[in-house]
Amino acid sequence: GESVGLHLPTLSVQEGDNSIINCAYSNSASDYFIWYKQESGKGPQFIIDIRSNMDKRQGQRVTVLLNKTVKHLSLQIAATQPGDSAVYFCAEIEDSGAGSYQLTFGKGTKLSVIP
Amino acid sequence: ETGVTQSPTHLIKTRGQQVTLRCSSQSGHNTVSWYQQALGQGPQFIFQYYREEENGRGNFPPRFSGLQFPNYSSELNVNALELDDSALYLCASSRTSGNTIYFGEGSWLTVV
Repeated sequence: GESVGLHLPTLSVQEGDNSIINCAYSNSASDYFIWYKQESGKGPQFIIDIRSNMDKRQGQRVTVLLNKTVKHLSLQIAATQPGDSAVYFCAEIEDSGAGSYQLTFGKGTKLSVIP
Repeated sequence: ETGVTQSPTHLIKTRGQQVTLRCSSQSGHNTVSWYQQALGQGPQFIFQYYREEENGRGNFPPRFSGLQFPNYSSELNVNALELDDSALYLCASSRTSGNTIYFGEGSWLTVV
């Protein structure tokens, strides 16, 4: 089946720098994408979402960009802090019919912030 | 805090046994989904419940079953446990529209 994947499995950044985490998706019919942050031993934490009728959305210190032409998502974190260290997943929504909303996750990118 | 609570947080079972995991969804969320996350992997969709009925299922065998109750809380049951069932089991809740899906902290299951 189609899947969502990530370009880089690990990313190390200096504290205070900006981080960019990339994600490729293959299902052109997907119309909703979510970024999650998962700290060790915890459940995924919702960060930001974007629908396919948008190409950019901003939150607090985070920005998600969507390029539907090349089926690419990115998560930008401004002024990265040690608390941002975690595994980041992008996920796409597949509507499997009858109102069922199935998230398809990639394997994740581990972000390590160097103090 | 997401408002999604799961129990138990950790448990150990023996191969062949049965397990029940529980989830209380966020207030106002009538759709509950369950995911399995193996170590080092992304979560995998097991199934979704809406109005007490299963309305979507991933690639998991029938020994994975569930329930949703009138208050939207849910249970995941796994029969005939196998070693490969060892994983973090995550519950997620959302409104019917599927917007803003929130996860609980998960239940760590170890099968020995």
